[in-house]
Amino acid sequence: SAVISQKPSRDICQRGTSLTIQCQVDSQVTMMFWYRQQPGQSLTLIATANQGSEATYESGFVIDKFPISRPNLTFSTLTVSNMSPEDSSIYLCSVYGTASSYNEQFFGPGTRLTVL
Amino acid sequence: DAKTTQPTSMDCAEGRAANLPCNHSTISGNEYVYWYRQIHSQGPQYIIHGLKNNETNEMASLIITEDRKSSTLILPHATLRDTAVYYCIVSSENFNKFYFGSGTKLNVKP
Repeated sequence: SAVISQKPSRDICQRGTSLTIQCQVDSQVTMMFWYRQQPGQSLTLIATANQGSEATYESGFVIDKFPISRPNLTFSTLTVSNMSPEDSSIYLCSVYGTASSYNEQFFGPGTRLTVL
Repeated sequence: DAKTTQPTSMDCAEGRAANLPCNHSTISGNEYVYWYRQIHSQGPQYIIHGLKNNETNEMASLIITEDRKSSTLILPHATLRDTAVYYCIVSSENFNKFYFGSGTKLNVKP
Protein backbone atom coordinates (compact mmCIF):
# COMPACT_ATOMS: atom_id res chain seq x y z
CA SER A 1 0.00 0.00 0.00
CA ALA A 2 0.94 3.68 -0.17
CA VAL A 3 1.43 5.96 2.81
CA ILE A 4 -0.13 9.35 2.18
CA SER A 5 0.20 12.44 4.30
CA GLN A 6 -1.69 15.70 4.01
CA LYS A 7 -0.86 19.09 5.44
CA PRO A 8 -2.51 20.78 7.20
CA SER A 9 -4.75 18.22 8.86
CA ARG A 10 -7.23 20.96 9.65
CA ASP A 11 -7.56 24.71 9.43
CA ILE A 12 -9.97 27.52 10.16
CA CYS A 13 -9.85 30.33 7.62
CA GLN A 14 -11.52 33.64 6.97
CA ARG A 15 -13.70 34.16 3.92
CA GLY A 16 -11.91 35.67 0.95
CA THR A 17 -8.56 34.06 1.77
CA SER A 18 -6.89 31.06 0.13
CA LEU A 19 -5.48 27.84 1.54
CA THR A 20 -3.01 25.46 -0.07
CA ILE A 21 -3.23 21.79 0.91
CA GLN A 22 -0.26 19.50 0.37
CA CYS A 23 -0.34 15.78 -0.40
CA GLN A 24 2.82 13.68 -0.12
CA VAL A 25 3.11 9.98 -1.02
CA ASP A 26 5.91 7.69 0.10
CA SER A 27 6.40 6.17 -3.35
CA GLN A 28 5.94 7.09 -6.99
CA VAL A 29 2.38 6.73 -8.22
CA THR A 30 0.74 6.90 -11.59
CA MET A 31 -2.28 9.01 -10.73
CA MET A 32 -3.19 11.51 -8.02
CA PHE A 33 -6.69 12.84 -7.37
CA TRP A 34 -8.40 15.42 -5.21
CA TYR A 35 -11.82 14.94 -3.63
CA ARG A 36 -14.14 17.06 -1.56
CA GLN A 37 -16.47 15.75 1.13
CA GLN A 38 -19.00 18.27 2.36
CA PRO A 39 -20.51 17.75 5.82
CA GLY A 40 -22.65 14.62 5.94
CA GLN A 41 -22.11 13.92 2.25
CA SER A 42 -20.26 11.43 0.10
CA LEU A 43 -16.99 12.16 -1.70
CA THR A 44 -16.98 14.22 -4.90
CA LEU A 45 -14.09 14.06 -7.34
CA ILE A 46 -12.65 17.53 -7.98
CA ALA A 47 -9.85 16.80 -10.43
CA THR A 48 -7.06 14.56 -11.58
CA ALA A 49 -3.63 16.03 -10.85
CA ASN A 50 -1.45 15.46 -13.89
CA GLN A 51 2.30 15.41 -13.51
CA GLY A 52 3.88 18.21 -15.48
CA SER A 53 0.68 19.50 -17.02
CA GLU A 54 -2.61 21.15 -16.14
CA ALA A 55 -5.05 19.22 -13.97
CA THR A 56 -8.18 17.68 -15.45
CA TYR A 57 -11.26 19.06 -13.70
CA GLU A 58 -14.62 17.41 -13.21
CA SER A 59 -17.85 19.16 -14.09
CA GLY A 60 -18.59 21.95 -11.64
CA PHE A 61 -14.98 22.58 -10.65
CA VAL A 62 -12.70 25.16 -12.27
CA ILE A 63 -9.02 25.95 -12.18
CA ASP A 64 -9.47 29.50 -10.93
CA LYS A 65 -11.20 28.26 -7.79
CA PHE A 66 -9.15 25.07 -7.24
CA PRO A 67 -5.68 25.45 -8.79
CA ILE A 68 -3.73 22.19 -8.59
CA SER A 69 -0.07 21.45 -9.03
CA ARG A 70 1.79 18.16 -9.40
CA PRO A 71 5.48 18.84 -9.89
CA ASN A 72 6.58 15.20 -9.53
CA LEU A 73 5.27 11.66 -9.04
CA THR A 74 4.97 11.86 -5.25
CA PHE A 75 3.59 15.32 -4.48
CA SER A 76 0.59 17.48 -5.28
CA THR A 77 -1.08 20.61 -3.96
CA LEU A 78 -4.66 21.84 -4.05
CA THR A 79 -5.45 25.49 -3.40
CA VAL A 80 -8.92 26.56 -2.35
CA SER A 81 -9.12 30.18 -3.53
CA ASN A 82 -11.26 33.09 -2.38
CA MET A 83 -12.94 30.91 0.19
CA SER A 84 -16.52 31.18 1.35
CA PRO A 85 -18.34 29.24 4.10
CA GLU A 86 -19.67 26.88 1.39
CA ASP A 87 -16.09 25.64 0.92
CA SER A 88 -16.09 24.18 4.42
CA SER A 89 -15.40 20.51 3.73
CA ILE A 90 -12.91 17.73 4.11
CA TYR A 91 -10.47 17.69 1.20
CA LEU A 92 -8.83 14.35 0.43
CA CYS A 93 -6.13 13.35 -1.95
CA SER A 94 -5.87 9.86 -3.31
CA VAL A 95 -3.33 7.96 -5.35
CA TYR A 96 -3.59 5.16 -7.84
CA GLY A 97 -1.05 2.95 -9.49
CA THR A 98 1.69 2.05 -7.07
CA ALA A 99 4.34 -0.49 -7.92
CA SER A 100 2.80 -3.11 -5.65
CA SER A 101 -0.91 -2.34 -5.93
CA TYR A 102 -1.71 -1.22 -9.42
CA ASN A 103 -5.50 -1.59 -9.27
CA GLU A 104 -6.09 -0.02 -5.86
CA GLN A 105 -6.72 3.59 -4.97
CA PHE A 106 -5.44 4.79 -1.59
CA PHE A 107 -6.73 7.81 0.25
CA GLY A 108 -5.01 10.29 2.48
CA PRO A 109 -6.34 11.21 5.93
CA GLY A 110 -7.97 14.39 4.66
CA THR A 111 -7.79 18.10 5.50
CA ARG A 112 -10.72 19.47 7.44
CA LEU A 113 -11.37 23.05 6.37
CA THR A 114 -13.72 25.44 8.15
CA VAL A 115 -14.38 28.84 6.56
CA LEU A 116 -15.83 31.57 8.76
CA ASP B 1 -21.73 10.42 -11.99
CA ALA B 2 -22.08 7.51 -9.60
CA LYS B 3 -23.20 4.32 -11.27
CA THR B 4 -24.26 2.48 -8.12
CA THR B 5 -27.23 2.38 -5.76
CA GLN B 6 -27.04 1.16 -2.19
CA PRO B 7 -29.42 1.10 0.78
CA THR B 8 -28.99 4.12 3.00
CA SER B 9 -28.42 2.14 6.18
CA MET B 10 -28.33 -1.37 7.59
CA ASP B 11 -28.08 -2.93 11.04
CA CYS B 12 -26.14 -6.05 11.93
CA ALA B 13 -25.65 -7.92 15.19
CA GLU B 14 -22.10 -8.28 16.42
CA GLY B 15 -20.63 -11.64 15.42
CA ARG B 16 -23.09 -12.17 12.59
CA ALA B 17 -22.40 -11.84 8.90
CA ALA B 18 -23.09 -8.45 7.34
CA ASN B 19 -24.32 -8.61 3.75
CA LEU B 20 -24.23 -5.27 1.95
CA PRO B 21 -25.93 -5.15 -1.47
CA CYS B 22 -25.11 -2.89 -4.40
CA ASN B 23 -26.80 -2.40 -7.74
CA HIS B 24 -24.73 -1.40 -10.77
CA SER B 25 -26.98 -2.27 -13.68
CA THR B 26 -25.17 -0.05 -16.21
CA ILE B 27 -21.71 -1.49 -15.58
CA SER B 28 -19.73 -2.15 -18.74
CA GLY B 29 -17.47 -5.04 -19.54
CA ASN B 30 -14.16 -3.49 -18.48
CA GLU B 31 -15.31 -1.77 -15.32
CA TYR B 32 -14.39 -3.12 -11.91
CA VAL B 33 -16.49 -3.10 -8.75
CA TYR B 34 -14.66 -1.69 -5.73
CA TRP B 35 -15.68 -1.54 -2.10
CA TYR B 36 -14.33 0.99 0.39
CA ARG B 37 -15.38 2.00 3.85
CA GLN B 38 -15.06 5.23 5.76
CA ILE B 39 -14.94 5.32 9.51
CA HIS B 40 -15.82 8.60 11.19
CA SER B 41 -14.58 11.00 8.47
CA GLN B 42 -11.21 9.32 8.08
CA GLY B 43 -9.95 8.69 4.57
CA PRO B 44 -11.76 5.82 2.84
CA GLN B 45 -10.17 2.42 3.37
CA TYR B 46 -9.89 -0.13 0.57
CA ILE B 47 -11.70 -3.41 1.22
CA ILE B 48 -11.86 -5.47 -1.96
CA HIS B 49 -12.50 -5.28 -5.69
CA GLY B 50 -13.48 -7.62 -8.51
CA LEU B 51 -14.35 -7.86 -12.17
CA LYS B 52 -16.36 -11.03 -12.77
CA ASN B 53 -15.37 -13.70 -10.30
CA ASN B 54 -16.11 -13.79 -6.61
CA GLU B 55 -13.24 -12.55 -4.50
CA THR B 56 -12.17 -13.11 -0.91
CA ASN B 57 -9.47 -11.55 1.23
CA GLU B 58 -8.75 -11.25 4.94
CA MET B 59 -11.37 -8.54 5.37
CA ALA B 60 -14.34 -9.61 3.28
CA SER B 61 -15.84 -11.52 0.38
CA LEU B 62 -17.27 -10.02 -2.77
CA ILE B 63 -20.01 -11.84 -4.64
CA ILE B 64 -20.74 -10.53 -8.15
CA THR B 65 -23.78 -11.83 -10.01
CA GLU B 66 -23.25 -13.56 -13.32
CA ASP B 67 -24.74 -10.65 -15.28
CA ARG B 68 -22.56 -8.27 -13.20
CA LYS B 69 -25.50 -5.98 -12.52
CA SER B 70 -25.25 -6.32 -8.77
CA SER B 71 -22.87 -7.42 -6.06
CA THR B 72 -22.79 -8.14 -2.34
CA LEU B 73 -20.04 -7.40 0.14
CA ILE B 74 -19.92 -9.91 2.97
CA LEU B 75 -18.23 -9.24 6.30
CA PRO B 76 -18.28 -12.76 7.77
CA HIS B 77 -18.18 -11.87 11.48
CA ALA B 78 -19.04 -8.23 12.04
CA THR B 79 -17.53 -6.43 15.01
CA LEU B 80 -18.34 -3.05 16.53
CA ARG B 81 -15.28 -1.65 14.74
CA ASP B 82 -16.92 -2.45 11.41
CA THR B 83 -19.46 0.32 12.00
CA ALA B 84 -18.81 2.65 9.06
CA VAL B 85 -20.15 3.95 5.76
CA TYR B 86 -19.52 1.39 3.01
CA TYR B 87 -19.16 2.59 -0.55
CA CYS B 88 -19.64 0.46 -3.64
CA ILE B 89 -17.91 2.06 -6.62
CA VAL B 90 -17.75 1.20 -10.28
CA SER B 91 -14.48 2.42 -11.71
CA SER B 92 -14.11 4.22 -14.97
CA GLU B 93 -13.13 2.10 -17.96
CA ASN B 94 -9.46 2.83 -17.41
CA PHE B 95 -10.24 1.96 -13.77
CA ASN B 96 -8.70 4.92 -12.09
CA LYS B 97 -11.47 7.48 -11.58
CA PHE B 98 -13.92 6.85 -8.76
CA TYR B 99 -17.38 8.39 -8.62
CA PHE B 100 -18.79 7.76 -5.18
CA GLY B 101 -22.46 7.13 -4.50
CA SER B 102 -24.11 7.82 -1.19
CA GLY B 103 -22.98 4.57 0.47
CA THR B 104 -24.54 2.38 3.17
CA LYS B 105 -24.21 3.25 6.84
CA LEU B 106 -23.64 -0.08 8.59
CA ASN B 107 -24.46 -0.10 12.28
CA VAL B 108 -23.06 -3.09 14.12
CA LYS B 109 -24.88 -3.54 17.41
CA PRO B 110 -23.85 -5.54 20.47
